[in-house]
Amino acid sequence: ETGVTQTPRHLVMGMTNKKSLKCEQHLGHNAMYWYKQSAKKPLELMFVYNFKEQTENNSVPSRFSPECPNSSHLFLHLHTLQPEDSALYLCASSHIPEGGYTFGSGTRLTVV
Amino acid sequence: AQSVTQPDIHITVSEGASLELRCNYSYGATPYLFWYVQSPGQGLQLLLKYFSGDTLVQGIKGFEAEFKRSQSSFNLRKPSVHWSDAAEYFCAVGAEGGNQFYFGTGTSLTVIP
Repeated sequence: ETGVTQTPRHLVMGMTNKKSLKCEQHLGHNAMYWYKQSAKKPLELMFVYNFKEQTENNSVPSRFSPECPNSSHLFLHLHTLQPEDSALYLCASSHIPEGGYTFGSGTRLTVV
Repeated sequence: AQSVTQPDIHITVSEGASLELRCNYSYGATPYLFWYVQSPGQGLQLLLKYFSGDTLVQGIKGFEAEFKRSQSSFNLRKPSVHWSDAAEYFCAVGAEGGNQFYFGTGTSLTVIP
């Protein structure tokens, strides 16, 4: 257990479904992140939240919608996904300015 | 542009042998450098980090890394590899006080008996 908990660990969803990924940290960190990890590609930063405010949105399609209700929780809402969205979605947190991430174990998403 | 290159996609070493994983970065400011390890089905675990000071940094599990500014490198080393070290290793670079880090594509390590 790293201090960053992601649920569910595995998710299979149809292209017309709506689902949400959850991330929770109790490390006292003030920044949270969503990353996408696909095979043979660098980790792709999707969203960044500093003190609950979104500061980065790296050209992510609108079918991915983040939500950060407080500094300990982060959600990724999914709707009308495509098969190419199948990947491992990693949540991370850090304390600015010290930096350095603590990652969760990820959610393995399969879109069918 | 900021980037990280891990030239070796896959490395195989014998248990007990020494290991060096290469990392080269391109970064416009003073870099913060990290090495992470990922076991199958898991998230990334921080092995070590370099912010400033001594250019040889010690991490967990017996790993160390050396920052060489002139070569823009931050190579990871371990003197004697254990079978449990088999995993994917990622190098990352970011800025002091920043919250966006750039990752390499990873090096997959296989350890043979």
